Amino acid sequence: ILNVEQSPQSLHVQEGDSTNFTCSFPSSNFYALHWYRWETAKSPEALFVMTLNGDEKKKGRISATLNTKEGYSYLYIKGSQPEDSATYLCAQDYGGATNKLIFGTGTLLAVQP
Amino acid sequence: DAGVTQSPTHLIKTRGQHVTLRCSPISGHKSVSWYQQVLGQGPQFIFQYYEKEERGRGNFPDRFSARQFPNYSSELNVNALLLGDSALYLCASSGGTGSYEQYFGPGTRLTVT
Repeated sequence: ILNVEQSPQSLHVQEGDSTNFTCSFPSSNFYALHWYRWETAKSPEALFVMTLNGDEKKKGRISATLNTKEGYSYLYIKGSQPEDSATYLCAQDYGGATNKLIFGTGTLLAVQP
Repeated sequence: DAGVTQSPTHLIKTRGQHVTLRCSPISGHKSVSWYQQVLGQGPQFIFQYYEKEERGRGNFPDRFSARQFPNYSSELNVNALLLGDSALYLCASSGGTGSYEQYFGPGTRLTVT
């Protein structure tokens, strides 16, 4: 994998459903992985920064896992609510002097009431 | 505390014109990064500045330039605008080198006609 890739591109679920998305990234020279939640016309909101293989982080009904050896991260939302509707972006952080983020194209989640 | 602020919110320019976008980081943050987000893609890294010095530059032409001021605010300048420069321009601030979290502003929507 040369780029950061996210799947699926979009997802439509019913309120109360649990869902998960995937972020794949180059596993060599790993430094950190960021997850953002981005609602239309608002600032991207930082959810998690993950640095260690096997990391698991949780924020309310949202959690994420990280596998740096195989180059993937999963984001889980338990019991989706309409307010969870947003684009979820992951970004690989190459660290160093730049801390440049390489973003995937995002997963658009729509939660129907 | 105020988050990252950007101005203006929206801007319409004509091909060939010049534009200046502004960003104020979170108080205490010394690093500012600029990203361009075109519809359907993830944000693309343009520049990072830390303590008023350029620390990184993405794959953008020389028409794009930036600077950081003593109060850590930043300007992004784009000369000789092209239709393809129409995008959302995001600014992110962080505590600096080695600091993982990056916080984004709401962006400036630039339309070039």
